[in-house]
Amino acid sequence: QKEVEQNSGPLSVPEGAIASLNCTYSDRGSQSFFWYRQYSGKSPELIMFIYSNGDKEDGRFTAQLNKASQYVSLLIRDSQPSDSATYLCAAENQAGTALIFGKGTTLSVSS
Amino acid sequence: DTGVSQDPRHKITKRGQNVTFRCDPISEHNRLYWYRQTLGQGPEFLTYFQNEAQLEKSRLLSDRFSAERPKGSFSTLEIQRTEQGDSAMYLCASRDQLDSPLHFGNGTRLTVT
Repeated sequence: QKEVEQNSGPLSVPEGAIASLNCTYSDRGSQSFFWYRQYSGKSPELIMFIYSNGDKEDGRFTAQLNKASQYVSLLIRDSQPSDSATYLCAAENQAGTALIFGKGTTLSVSS
Repeated sequence: DTGVSQDPRHKITKRGQNVTFRCDPISEHNRLYWYRQTLGQGPEFLTYFQNEAQLEKSRLLSDRFSAERPKGSFSTLEIQRTEQGDSAMYLCASRDQLDSPLHFGNGTRLTVT
């Protein structure tokens, strides 16, 4: 059973700080990785995706991928109270037929 | 792009009844997915369609669950003889090509009493 592991948290950071969210995956064949944000009672919404080793930046968000270590991370700079949500990490399975999700990390940003 | 649409938004049913949910994907997306999510868990993959063909189905999926996508457009998910453990949010998602992000609908929340 291929898995994606995340620390469930909660991760608490003050407003303006950097939040660091981490994820590991077991399927060495995974090539595509995604971060989704989910507010309570709502469906997941895409934040970023990353395919290549290294960093990818989009505004306040930076995704990092290390395929050798099977590790994906998401950095949120200048965290805002509106960033408080659950962050889901997902990896595409080797067959390319599904995204496998972690359980999510709950982030709480205090003002 | 009107987004992925799911109907109904909420469904309350008694144990043993059958329920059916509908999903309309983004029109140009030929790949459609069903997921189930319970409180505190990430979305759990149920099944995947490419056009009208069901190409993958989770081994965890009970045979009480069946999904169809008869014309390669909308899809239905049916649960027969519902059980309390079926209570969850059922999410539909679509995309146009492999490796691209999934676009999720608002989900159908099922409560089995």
